[in-house]
Amino acid sequence: EVQLVESGGNLVQPGKSLRLSCAASGFNFDDHAMHWVRQVPGKGLEWVSGISWNSYSIDYGDSVKGRFIISRDNAKNSLYLQMNSLRPEDTALYYCVRDMVGPTSGVGTTFDYWGQGTLVTVSS
Amino acid sequence: SYDLTQPPSVSVSPGQTASITCSGDKLGDKYVCWYQQKPGQSPVLVIYQDTKRPSGIPDRFSGSNSGNTATLTISGTQAMDEADYSCQAWDSSTVLFGGGTKLTVL
Repeated sequence: EVQLVESGGNLVQPGKSLRLSCAASGFNFDDHAMHWVRQVPGKGLEWVSGISWNSYSIDYGDSVKGRFIISRDNAKNSLYLQMNSLRPEDTALYYCVRDMVGPTSGVGTTFDYWGQGTLVTVSS
Repeated sequence: SYDLTQPPSVSVSPGQTASITCSGDKLGDKYVCWYQQKPGQSPVLVIYQDTKRPSGIPDRFSGSNSGNTATLTISGTQAMDEADYSCQAWDSSTVLFGGGTKLTVL
């Protein structure tokens, strides 16, 4: 059974940093690109970042570019999101998601498995 | 930037057909997928690559994509289908989501 379990969400002050983790199990982690998607409670989904199986291809949404860093450790079946210079508008539930298409995202990128999310609150 | 536009809400009577649209410039040239999200739950994939259904998704869910509009159609809508539905596409190394549509089954 595929499982994605996020952790690391917390209440943090504006300007501070936070690191999210996602533990993956039940599939060959290095066969898939992985992504982070966030959602403000009661609002729509927003793509944050994606990373290919070998970390060679990394992309970010415009709202987090230059502040967030995505990474992965295939030996540990883990995905990470380093969040720097946090802003109140980064407050959201952050989901770890798997790209069903395969090792590299592109045309047809589709998220077939989602974690339960970890809540990040940025407030003074 | 490329935008995907969905109606904020759609209402349907039980047993009838619900259609939820997703619009974008030349969207028919891209692959679109759809997610269902119920309150307090993570999104669930219901349609991918425009028309395909993942295993376990009832066949009352179908999709199409042509021109500037993709459509999620739910035939014989049931009360359990009441949820938020979001479309998603990929364009120029960016993943795009529509704003979401709340489907109400009255």
